[in-house]
Amino acid sequence: ETGVTQTPRHLVMGMTNKKSLKCEQHLGHNAMYWYKQSAKKPLELMFVYSLEERVENNSVPSRFSPECPNSSHLFLHLHTLQPEDSALYLCASSQGRGGRAYEQFFGPGTRLTVL
Amino acid sequence: GESVGLHLPTLSVQEGDNSIINCAYSNSASDYFIWYKQESGKGPQFIIDIRSNMDKRQGQRVTVLLNKTVKHLSLQIAATQPGDSAVYFCAESKAGGGADGLTFGKGTHLIIQP
Repeated sequence: ETGVTQTPRHLVMGMTNKKSLKCEQHLGHNAMYWYKQSAKKPLELMFVYSLEERVENNSVPSRFSPECPNSSHLFLHLHTLQPEDSALYLCASSQGRGGRAYEQFFGPGTRLTVL
Repeated sequence: GESVGLHLPTLSVQEGDNSIINCAYSNSASDYFIWYKQESGKGPQFIIDIRSNMDKRQGQRVTVLLNKTVKHLSLQIAATQPGDSAVYFCAESKAGGGADGLTFGKGTHLIIQP
């Protein structure tokens, strides 16, 4: 395994529900990421956290709300989602220092279905 | 806008043959490139990476080539095995990124035929 875990692995929710996705990394990294993977589309970067501060938000709708309480944990809070939000949501972590990019380690993803 | 793309959505090769998966990128400011493999039901798994100050890097059975002149990246897999069947993605990160997200291509599905 990659050292990045995600729960739940599968989630089915209605459009009026509120749920949260959880990610935990055991690699000592200081940057964490949320990506969305839809069928037949490239992985889309949603949010980047470095040292627990959000450094990037790629015009993601406000119905997605990230939270990074510490360098090991990342959450994605979901509310009033749309069916088109159904996708695989991937968490990743990496080192992130000195202006150099490093490989990102991905979790297994949460398969989200919005009814 | 800037994008990373792949030339072929599906590549079928015979077991034991060499595979070459290609990727084109358009952001000339990118200085870090990476290949991932994704098997069904799993997250992307790191294969190999390369920085823009290099044009070739080798790993175990894999080689990445970077041609900055034409903004082209390729992944060569030697002596492909059934376990190599997966979707392969290239990705890039721009210079000075630090903790930057990656920009991914669409992926090539590599099929290994017995």
